[in-house]
Amino acid sequence: AQSVAQPEDQVNVAEGNPLTVKCTYSVSGNPYLFWYVQYPNRGLQFLLKYITGDNLVKGSYGFEAEFNKSQTSFHLKKPSALVSDSALYFCAVSPRGSSGTYKYIFGTGTRLKVLA
Amino acid sequence: DAGVIQSPRHEVTEMGQEVTLRCKPISGHDYLFWYRQTMMRGLELLIYFNNNVPIDDSGMPEDRFSAKMPNASFSTLKIQPSEPRDSAVYFCASRYRAAGELFFGEGSRLTVL
Repeated sequence: AQSVAQPEDQVNVAEGNPLTVKCTYSVSGNPYLFWYVQYPNRGLQFLLKYITGDNLVKGSYGFEAEFNKSQTSFHLKKPSALVSDSALYFCAVSPRGSSGTYKYIFGTGTRLKVLA
Repeated sequence: DAGVIQSPRHEVTEMGQEVTLRCKPISGHDYLFWYRQTMMRGLELLIYFNNNVPIDDSGMPEDRFSAKMPNASFSTLKIQPSEPRDSAVYFCASRYRAAGELFFGEGSRLTVL
């Protein structure tokens, strides 16, 4: 079955330190990969995506993600965390389906808490 | 563009009542997704459409749930009859083509008493 795993329910990091939020996936083919952020009582917001090309993708708010095909991972990173980065982060993959369309599968989410 | 618009933002109803949630996707987007979010189950894909055609409804929990997309600018998710376990936040999202990112609405928070 196709799936996305975010192994950590919560990640705590001190402000100013680098952060990593992990994501691995299990889908066939070459899916598109995404990260989203959700603030309380809001819809999800797009951060960045990997379609093809350079394995290091840069996105909004200073976030970046590293694609590793052999490990089927797409970890989210930021060199220096801010308290305002505290939120719920979702990894998502968009594999090609049998109908030729692309569905969207989300991980379970990782709550990031940046401590002042 | 105003983004994805969902209504109502909040709905409180009693068990057994019919609930209809509405979504207006971003103009020009050809994919539309309905998700349900709860603390226990996280974000679940219910159904998605491509060019107004339902492609995968395997996530729809029961026959009580139905979704339609009569045209490119409107979709509904209906629950009839509603039950307390349907209480959740329901999100609609749209995107342009397969490689596009999803744009989410602000969600409809449903409480079934």
